[in-house]
Amino acid sequence: EAQVTQNPRYLITVTGKKLTVTCSQNMNHEYMSWYRQDPGLGLRQIYYSMNVEVTDKGDVPEGYKVSRKEKRNFPLILESPSPNQTSLYFCASSSGVSLGNQPQHFGDGTRLSIL
Amino acid sequence: AQTVTQSQPEMSVQEAETVTLSCTYDTSENNYYLFWYKQPPSRQMILVIRQEAYKQQNATENRFSVNFQKAAKSFSLKISDSQLGDTAMYFCAFMRLTSNFGNEKLTFGTGTRLTIIP
Repeated sequence: EAQVTQNPRYLITVTGKKLTVTCSQNMNHEYMSWYRQDPGLGLRQIYYSMNVEVTDKGDVPEGYKVSRKEKRNFPLILESPSPNQTSLYFCASSSGVSLGNQPQHFGDGTRLSIL
Repeated sequence: AQTVTQSQPEMSVQEAETVTLSCTYDTSENNYYLFWYKQPPSRQMILVIRQEAYKQQNATENRFSVNFQKAAKSFSLKISDSQLGDTAMYFCAFMRLTSNFGNEKLTFGTGTRLTIIP
């Protein structure tokens, strides 16, 4: 089954404690992306990757890091989480030959609470 | 930069009725895609319908259809014969059409929470 898998689905942690949210896709997609969803703001892009070892900032990259060492994985790293990063996070992927023909597949979301 | 506006934070309708969710967008691009995503309480992001800007014909998917007005930059979603399972947050989203492989970013509106009343 084609899917994007995020882990964990829920996490409560404290300020400053490094954490990683994993994202894996089994569709051999080149493009992967992270979004955060906040009430009244919709979803905003954090980082994206066009292929292995190719990453770039989205609209709200501050406080986040990513890596793309393998095609299937695109972890989101919070080196020193702060309460303003409390949010619902989504990973998405799509085929490299996009042009909008191939819709983005979303993971089920990760609810992060930073105390 | 593109912006997407959904002016109805919440809506509710009786089951079996028809409901229309509004979306407007602002862009200087001529070629782009527009999407409606559904987010039920399970939090999944589910693609409902997609419209290519170069197509004049409005997209339809079963009970879901859009009214795409390119000159007015309007992209509304009509749900016919609404069902309890349609209760969800609905997001309108924009993606520019790139001739080469670039950032396939979706720009989202703030969402409309739709409740179908039994």
